[in-house]
Amino acid sequence: AQTVTQSQPEMSVQEAETVTLSCTYDTSESDYYLFWYKQPPSRQMILVIRQEAYKQQNATENRFSVNFQKAAKSFSLKISDSQLGDAAMYFCAYRSPFGNTDKLIFGTGTRLQVFP
Amino acid sequence: DSGVTQTPKHLITATGQRVTLRCSPRSGDLSVYWYQQSLDQGLQFLIQYYNGEERAKGNILERFSAQQFPDLHSELNLSSLELGDSALYFCASSVAGRGRNEKLFFGSGTQLSVL
Repeated sequence: AQTVTQSQPEMSVQEAETVTLSCTYDTSESDYYLFWYKQPPSRQMILVIRQEAYKQQNATENRFSVNFQKAAKSFSLKISDSQLGDAAMYFCAYRSPFGNTDKLIFGTGTRLQVFP
Repeated sequence: DSGVTQTPKHLITATGQRVTLRCSPRSGDLSVYWYQQSLDQGLQFLIQYYNGEERAKGNILERFSAQQFPDLHSELNLSSLELGDSALYFCASSVAGRGRNEKLFFGSGTQLSVL
């Protein structure tokens, strides 16, 4: 079974600085999808960025980018120019392309605080 | 707004009781997923329904059950509630959910407190 591990329960960053959130996963599959979700105090789960394992190029979405290291099974999220609105819980998630389902397997999350 | 509606937003009940959580998926979505978010276990996948049929099952307790109705809304029934069942229960939906890497749209959750 696949597992996702986020080893940083909490992180903090100064406004306008850069922060990196870590995520590792365990799988025997060669093809899969990885995601970062943001959960602000409103509780809404918001998709931040996604990465297909067969793509070597790291995904980017504006200030958000990932460092995908397939051999190391690592998928970290870098937030550049941090803003107060980035404060939230961040969840890393894995999806298998098999099993005829689009269910996500989540890590335990990292709470990000942003200080002015 | 994701288009996924969950009711109620908050629910307070006592141990041993039974509750029903409701989810209406986005218009046109056939798949519904239920997740439980607790402080100690994070976000756990419970179960998925596709067009009325169970598609995938995760860490769902025997005291919990779910179903999806012909109008595609889904209900999660939690019975013989224990203190440890206190959690945020999310519903998500997708168009088909058949392993084609579709985007999941999440509701805002139902916060269940068991006293």
